[in-house]
Amino acid sequence: QKEVEQNSGPLSVPEGAIASLNCTYSDRVSQSFFWYRQYSGKSPELIMSIYSNGDKEDGRFTAQLNKASQYVSLLIRDSQPSDSATYLCAVVTGNQFYFGTGTSLTVIP
Amino acid sequence: EPEVTQTPSHQVTQMGQEVILRCVPISNHLYFYWYRQILGQKVEFLVSFYNNEISEKSEIFDDQFSVERPDGSNFTLKIRSTKLEDSAMYFCASNIVRVNEQYFGPGTRLTVT
Repeated sequence: QKEVEQNSGPLSVPEGAIASLNCTYSDRVSQSFFWYRQYSGKSPELIMSIYSNGDKEDGRFTAQLNKASQYVSLLIRDSQPSDSATYLCAVVTGNQFYFGTGTSLTVIP
Repeated sequence: EPEVTQTPSHQVTQMGQEVILRCVPISNHLYFYWYRQILGQKVEFLVSFYNNEISEKSEIFDDQFSVERPDGSNFTLKIRSTKLEDSAMYFCASNIVRVNEQYFGPGTRLTVT
């Protein structure tokens, strides 16, 4: 059983702070990793992809991957109220995408 | 910007009825997927489709489910005899390259009564 684990939260941060979201996965052969944002009642929206160890930055978002520790994280700098959503970690093994249950983030104005 | 579209947005059906959920993937994408998300739960993989055949399917995707790409644009999910527990959001997704970035449609909310 391939598992993707995330803290369900809720995680609350003040506006302008850094939000840190974490994800661990069980299958060592997983190749690709994604972060999605999902607003209530909406579909997942792709934020970031990361395929190799290290950091990847895109605007206010930084994804970090450590395959040895089977860990992937997402940092959101200068958090805005509009960032309030559930963040889903997705891990690909073979041709299947496995999603975590998501972390609920609230950014307090 | 191209996007995945899905119809209908909401489908209500009675238990035992057949439903067909429709999706139009992004036009140059080659890999297509169906997922479901029961309210409050995680997104679950159902099936992937490439080159006009199923690539992989999960345990959820039993004989009650089928997928089809009847023409060059549509991708459908059929549930033959719906059960109460099939009530969920069903998302279609597509990507251009295997295991690459995947884009989701807005979903169809299926309610089985």
